[in-house]
Amino acid sequence: EPEVTQTPSHQVTQMGQEVILRCVPISNHLYFYWYRQILGQKVEFLVSFYNNEISEKSEIFDDQFSVERPDGSNFTLKIRSTKLEDSAMYFCASGQRQGKNLNSPLHFGNGTRLTVT
Amino acid sequence: DQQVKQNSPSLSVQEGRISILNCDYTNSMFDYFLWYKKYPAEGPTFLISISSIKDKNEDGRFTVFLNKSAKHLSLHIVPSQPGDSAVYFCAASGGSGTYKYIFGTGTRLKVLA
Repeated sequence: EPEVTQTPSHQVTQMGQEVILRCVPISNHLYFYWYRQILGQKVEFLVSFYNNEISEKSEIFDDQFSVERPDGSNFTLKIRSTKLEDSAMYFCASGQRQGKNLNSPLHFGNGTRLTVT
Repeated sequence: DQQVKQNSPSLSVQEGRISILNCDYTNSMFDYFLWYKKYPAEGPTFLISISSIKDKNEDGRFTVFLNKSAKHLSLHIVPSQPGDSAVYFCAASGGSGTYKYIFGTGTRLKVLA
């Protein structure tokens, strides 16, 4: 069964450094997402991406964050200058189609654990 | 802004019995609801979903019930198995111009052998 893959599984970085988290969504999916989960807390929406542009973002997704789909298969999340509070599990997800009466579930990768020291 | 709430952080059930996990939501624009299961160090795995035009959806041991008037959904697992022990998240989406899925805080289910 096709799956969403994320690399790396664990990234350790120093405060102020840039990180890029990578994802390969399921190939026929059209909608792409990043979520994060701070230890023991809820899974929080960061950003959704459709048709090569951001369709929606949360208040967490400030100017330090950016997303890109550089080559038609990868989907990346960049954090320009990491802060201690960015430490979390970051999950990539993809979905086939969205909208009224066309809903389908999101499929998640296994996440990248980001540790900012 | 807790639009999706799971008020029970944990639940223990004996193997073979029914597990009932509950979820409440506040946004009446939600029209699609999902349940995910999550093991440690893994991503959420989709279990079952329901559209707002239905009040029940069944898939094997898993049944989701939706009560729109009460803005409440529940997941029934019958019979419960030790392998069902995980954190369960409900999620919801819907509304004009939004495709995000909002997750609840999760319920940790422990099935005792």
